[in-house]
Amino acid sequence: DAKTTQPNSMESNEEEPVHLPCNHSTISGTDYIHWYRQLPSQGPEYVIHGLTSNVNNRMASLAIAEDRKSSTLILHRATLRDAAVYYCILRDRRDAGNMLTFGGGTRLMVKP
Amino acid sequence: DGGITQSPKYLFRKEGQNVTLSCEQNLNHDAMYWYRQDPGQGLRLIYYSQIVNDFQKGDIAEGYSVSREKKESFPLTVTSAQKNPTAFYLCASSLQGAPGANVLTFGAGSRLTVL
Repeated sequence: DAKTTQPNSMESNEEEPVHLPCNHSTISGTDYIHWYRQLPSQGPEYVIHGLTSNVNNRMASLAIAEDRKSSTLILHRATLRDAAVYYCILRDRRDAGNMLTFGGGTRLMVKP
Repeated sequence: DGGITQSPKYLFRKEGQNVTLSCEQNLNHDAMYWYRQDPGQGLRLIYYSQIVNDFQKGDIAEGYSVSREKKESFPLTVTSAQKNPTAFYLCASSLQGAPGANVLTFGAGSRLTVL
């Protein structure tokens, strides 16, 4: 299964943009890139996903490299509520049984 | 509002006892999943089910059992055979039609502590 690599932790100042990187060099053509985030003692929540093109929603933007071997989650203005663990995972569009293993993710700390 | 309900939120168990964690969803999702999370770690898949009366083992199924008698329900039993059951357990669900794009919806989790 294709895997992802993320930095263990990152820091940001409040109200500044945050770029969270994810490497997925073994991604296949049928893998979607999903991002989730998990607040302390809560279940993860969906943030954004994409296949080839960059994506925007109310929470964040997803920038996908042209070769799809890496992607970046962009939080345009970090708030204290964005402090969480962010997971980048791959989901094969052909198979719901190809299940998501969430690695350690990136712990984002936001400083006031 | 639609969502996933996990119960109990906190559970204490003595060694050697089986315990069942409940997961109910009203999202009309076909697929349901159970994950385990240890402190400071990511999520590991225990079992998943894509359809009623069918389920598959995930990466760490040993010591766990599940059933899927109804579309809405996917209970997880932590048996006495699970050697280190203290963990945070998360249930999730998703639509089945377009697997790659369908997102997971998670419950709030159940924290199991073995005394």
